[in-house]
Amino acid sequence: QKEVEQDPGPLSVPEGAIVSLNCTYSNSAFQYFMWYRQYSRKGPELLMYTYSSGNKEDGRFTAQVDKSSKYISLFIRDSQPSDSATYLCADGVGAGGTSYGKLTFGQGTILTVHP
Amino acid sequence: ETGVTQTPRHLVMGMTNKKSLKCEQHLGHNAMYWYKQSAKKPLELMFVYSLEERVENNSVPSRFSPECPNSSHLFLHLHTLQPEDSALYLCASSQDQTNEKLFFGSGTQLSVL
Repeated sequence: QKEVEQDPGPLSVPEGAIVSLNCTYSNSAFQYFMWYRQYSRKGPELLMYTYSSGNKEDGRFTAQVDKSSKYISLFIRDSQPSDSATYLCADGVGAGGTSYGKLTFGQGTILTVHP
Repeated sequence: ETGVTQTPRHLVMGMTNKKSLKCEQHLGHNAMYWYKQSAKKPLELMFVYSLEERVENNSVPSRFSPECPNSSHLFLHLHTLQPEDSALYLCASSQDQTNEKLFFGSGTQLSVL
């Protein structure tokens, strides 16, 4: 079983739709959760970071973590063509001198928002 | 220049060639990383450097040889690669080795013939 599972898609939605991207994880030691966005021919960029269960909102983006179900989600409201990218979830055990920024990434979900 | 820059952007090499990938970060970070990104696979951590000292070598074959001469520069030396090594190689940096927020470069797309 992979430590982080993510449906690769592809996912295609019309402009203005609400997008839901999801990951499940198996390692109970994961303490923090991130979403990275990767445009074509670019490196990933950090989009959202959360260290606890619950919701975190930033503009049109909401990250949701349910530690009891080991389930993380990213919601995009009023999606735009510029949101078309690959979205990677990443989980980590936590700082403390030995994590070395060691994240476990999901496979990534390819999202296309069409006008 | 800002952020993390990688050169070259694209590289085609034969299995007997020797080449090097270069990464430079302009963020004042103390930790740098090499990741491999293959199609339909998650990002794989290859190497971690903290203050120019290698702190992680994630079971990477010896045909990949990293070098970190200072906290701003990172190299990946390549020799006698295999076709299955074709991938996007990403460099990243973070404030220090305990900081999980990674800043990535745009990567080098490597093709091994």
